[in-house]
Amino acid sequence: QAHLVESGGGVVQPGGSLRLSCAASGFSFSSNGIHWVRQAPGKGLEWVAFILFDGRNEYYTNSVKGRFTISRDNSKNMLYLQMISLRPADTAIYYCAKDANSKGAFDIWGQGTMVTVSS
Amino acid sequence: DIVMTQSPDSLAVSLGERATINCKSSQSVLYISNNKNYLAWYQQKPGQPPKLLIYWASTRESGVPDRFSGSGSGTDFTLTISSLQAEDVAVYYCQQYYTTTYSFGQGTKLEIK
Repeated sequence: QAHLVESGGGVVQPGGSLRLSCAASGFSFSSNGIHWVRQAPGKGLEWVAFILFDGRNEYYTNSVKGRFTISRDNSKNMLYLQMISLRPADTAIYYCAKDANSKGAFDIWGQGTMVTVSS
Repeated sequence: DIVMTQSPDSLAVSLGERATINCKSSQSVLYISNNKNYLAWYQQKPGQPPKLLIYWASTRESGVPDRFSGSGSGTDFTLTISSLQAEDVAVYYCQQYYTTTYSFGQGTKLEIK
């Protein structure tokens, strides 16, 4: 059964950095693109970033361009999100989600990891 | 960027009655070459991650009860729950994946009347 598990969240001061990880199992990780989606407390879903199956292309929402970097290690079935210059507005639960090639949508989601940016 | 707008923001429906949620995109998400609408619906219950319900605007994900259905094309879409059950209380989101700046609607909170 396909499974995604995020880790690396925590409390960080404004301007600080954090690296999130997402461990994948139960599916062919190297065949699927993977997304990061976040949800601020009590708010809706916001797509953050996407990386293609082979890691050759990355896409970001405007508010994180230049500050966040998505990457993957297909040999370890791992996805990462390096976040720098963090702002209070980045406070959210961060989910990784599998892109379902034939469906286009996001068919498998992790439970999320909480990032709090506060002094 | 494509903006997704859902209506209403919240909805209260009696058990066994029909619930209808609308979603409008700021531009068409219909890809002419394959005649597919790049539109999905998700359900999110408190404390849980979102769950995929519908993709390609009207295809039900495996395991999703058939009381859930999606319809629409181009810029206007609808999620219908034909007979509301207690376990359907959740927030529902539409999402476009027509462009690689994916976007979600603001969500519709569904409650029992």
